[in-house]
Order: sequence, then structure tokens, then C-alpha cells
Amino acid sequence: QAQLVQSGGEVKKPGASVKVSCKASGYTFSYYGINWVRQAPGQGLEWMGWYNVYNGHTNYAQGLQDRLIMTTDTSTSTAYMELRSLRSDDTAVYYCARADKGYYYGVDVWGPGTTVTVSS
Amino acid sequence: DIQMTQSPSSLSASVGDRVTITCRASQGINTYLAWYQQKSGEVPKLLIYGASTLRSGVPSRFSGSGSGTDFTLTISSLQPEDVATYYCQKYDFAPFTFGPGTKVDVE
Repeated sequence: QAQLVQSGGEVKKPGASVKVSCKASGYTFSYYGINWVRQAPGQGLEWMGWYNVYNGHTNYAQGLQDRLIMTTDTSTSTAYMELRSLRSDDTAVYYCARADKGYYYGVDVWGPGTTVTVSS
Repeated sequence: DIQMTQSPSSLSASVGDRVTITCRASQGINTYLAWYQQKSGEVPKLLIYGASTLRSGVPSRFSGSGSGTDFTLTISSLQPEDVATYYCQKYDFAPFTFGPGTKVDVE
């Protein structure tokens, strides 16, 4: 069945960058897109952005578009999320999550999450 | 951007009670709304999409309704395993914003 496997946790200093990977399996990667969603400790879900692998279009949450870069490698069915100029309030669990190319059916498959800690 | 709100922010009910959570969009989003359940320490799980379509495998005690700006998630008979935080998400157009969540506990 469809599965997303994410890279391991990271500890970064303020001002650094982090890159999280998300490898898809069990489905045709190019027929779907990947959302990036984060959750700060004890907080709710924050949608960060969407990479539609089918047509290459991207959408970013306002406030993150200057620091967030989403890419994919279709040859390995892997999505990447890079967040630059990290701040302490970027400390969160980062999820990749699948939606169909038309975003008709919500976000149906989630990765396990990658914990990113930003601390000096 | 369209803002999403949920009410209440938390609730506590007895096993067997009917529970209703409301999600409101600041502008109309047709039926492009999904509901997710997140249990403590777990990954969010899709329950409902298209405002009212139950995802396969989700217990039938969960139901969704609404269109435009006002939506509800109903648990017809609350079970102990339903203790979780529930989020709505709009997906008509980006940004695909989540609501702030409603925490459901069992008394």
C-alpha cells in the first residue's frame, strides 16, 4: 500500500538550513502531490506548502515562501523540503503527506514525521 | 486568504454521547473540506473528504455535513478510542489551511 518514509530527526542552530526527505512507495508518484505540514510542540497542524508532482506546480503558505523550497526527484519517488534561516519557532515535527493531483480527496497518506529542533 | 475556525476548542463527553464539532470558513469553499483525527503521539488520519464522504474504513459513527462556509463533524456515539484532536482543512484553493483543532475527551 501507499507509504511515505521520511528522513531522521535533525538538530540545527538558528540561521542554518534543514532538508527533509520523503520517499514514496506503493503508488505512482507522478499522479499525486506532496504536502508539507508541520506541528510545533503542543500546537495544531500548519500547512506549509504543496508540490503537485503531476504538473510541477507549487503553492506556499504566506510567510514561508521566502524560506521554504520544495523539490522532487521523480526518478527515486522522493520529495524534499528545505527550510532556510531557521529560527527557534521552526522547532516542530514536519510531515510530508500525499494528496491526489486534483486535491479532490483530501490528504490521505501521511509520513511518520521528522522532528526538527532549532537550538543554539 | 480564507481563515478557518473551529468550535469548541475542546469538549468532554460521555461514552455513547452524540458529539458535534463545527468548522467555519471566512469565505465559501463549496464542499472542499476534509476532517482529520489525530490521537496523542500519532500521525493525523483522514476521516472525511468532500465535506461528507466517509473515507473507506472509517467507522460509520463519524459523519460530516455542510457546504459553503459552515461545516460539522458528528460522532453519533462517542467511544473511548475517539479521544483525539480533530482538524478541518479547506482545499478549494491554496493555501490549504487547517483549522485550529478541537480536542475531544471522554468523561
